[in-house]
Amino acid sequence: DAKTTQPPSMDCAEGRAANLPCNHSTISGNEYVYWYRQIHSQGPQYIIHGLKNNETNEMASLIITEDRKSSTLILPHATLRDTAVYYCIIGYNKLIFGAGTRLAVHP
Amino acid sequence: DARVTQTPRHKVTEMGQEVTMRCQPILGHNTVFWYRQTMMQGLELLAYFRNRAPLDDSGMPKDRFSAEMPDATLATLKIQPSEPRDSAVYFCASGLAGYQPQHFGDGTRLSIL
Repeated sequence: DAKTTQPPSMDCAEGRAANLPCNHSTISGNEYVYWYRQIHSQGPQYIIHGLKNNETNEMASLIITEDRKSSTLILPHATLRDTAVYYCIIGYNKLIFGAGTRLAVHP
Repeated sequence: DARVTQTPRHKVTEMGQEVTMRCQPILGHNTVFWYRQTMMQGLELLAYFRNRAPLDDSGMPKDRFSAEMPDATLATLKIQPSEPRDSAVYFCASGLAGYQPQHFGDGTRLSIL
């Protein structure tokens, strides 16, 4: 079973920041937080991952709370092409996907 | 950019037929994963290999499914005999051992009539 909790759906206006929350209260010491997204029927696309420090790359930022029990994925300037299902996963090597958050970016 | 390549992209066949799906992992990646996605069950991990050896196939129906890595550049997933309930999108992903992220192919969309 997936070990994360995410809202089933969210909306965001184009050009605004999208903040996607994830709870993972049972995370263990060596487990990382990974974010993937899936656009329509394509394969899941890796976005970002982290252990305990905040991370940023060209796609997004990942904010992990100090106790590591929750995290937030931030898309700083959402576009229509960011409409997708976003998966938050905790693990090491073997990843178990949950239902994710369906993000709709609207004009 | 390096990509995971899956073939065929689409497959339609009748129940009872053997189905073989192929995956070429990203060069240098030593871990290969097979997933299945359906509307009802979402993305399920079927099996994964490291350095061509199976590490975990607990998610795979053993009686009809088999997964192999004949060499480091090819992973196969076979279903024999196929059944309508096997209709799904099958994804392959590859990565390096440890915490490095997996990268997915575009999937094989399988329909069993």
